[in-house]
Amino acid sequence: DAGVIQSPRHEVTEMGQEVTLRCKPISGHNSLFWYRQTMMRGLELLIYFNNNVPIDDSGMPEDRFSAKMPNASFSTLKIQPSEPRDSAVYFCASSLEGGYYGYTFGSGTRLTVV
Amino acid sequence: KQEVTQIPAALSVPEGENLVLNCSFTDSAIYNLQWFRQDPGKGLTSLLLIQSSQREQTSGRLNASLDKSSGRSTLYIAASQPGDSATYLCAVDAGNMLTFGGGTRLMVKP
Repeated sequence: DAGVIQSPRHEVTEMGQEVTLRCKPISGHNSLFWYRQTMMRGLELLIYFNNNVPIDDSGMPEDRFSAKMPNASFSTLKIQPSEPRDSAVYFCASSLEGGYYGYTFGSGTRLTVV
Repeated sequence: KQEVTQIPAALSVPEGENLVLNCSFTDSAIYNLQWFRQDPGKGLTSLLLIQSSQREQTSGRLNASLDKSSGRSTLYIAASQPGDSATYLCAVDAGNMLTFGGGTRLMVKP
């Protein structure tokens, strides 16, 4: 398996623009997670899905952020409109059986909003 | 709310030393604990997974232990090498949610 695949690897956008980050989980994994990493706050859970259904989105910073998982092999995290404080590395992770076998992370998307 | 603390925040050692990284967590009701490695500008690589019923796991020069009752885990690295230089992250799973510590930034000098 190729692991968790995220795209793009890097994204530079202007303030106010819409940004869409993409994630393909490991085939067969039934949970998917979006994390954000910043120097100030470390790694924070934004939202997670179980069997394509959003379970906990309490970490989503505000209404500008939205996430979808239309099927078991694809998820998106959208920021609209983007702001400079959204600059961070966004990681997607997937797991099987609620994390019993651990979590696998993608390589991340480094977002810069100027 | 689960809180995870890693000590020390940074560590610099000469090559060949054995070293211990510490992780503590506030809520002992966990499912498992996972240690990750992160190289600068890279993603998270899983090193060891300790399930709640286990006390330790070993992989090569790495050994991780878990004491749920005291809320502690340690990552032991034997015979450190410059290639071990990275940030090591401890993450606690309390049920479909990983809570991360702040990490220990390790530098192993040749």
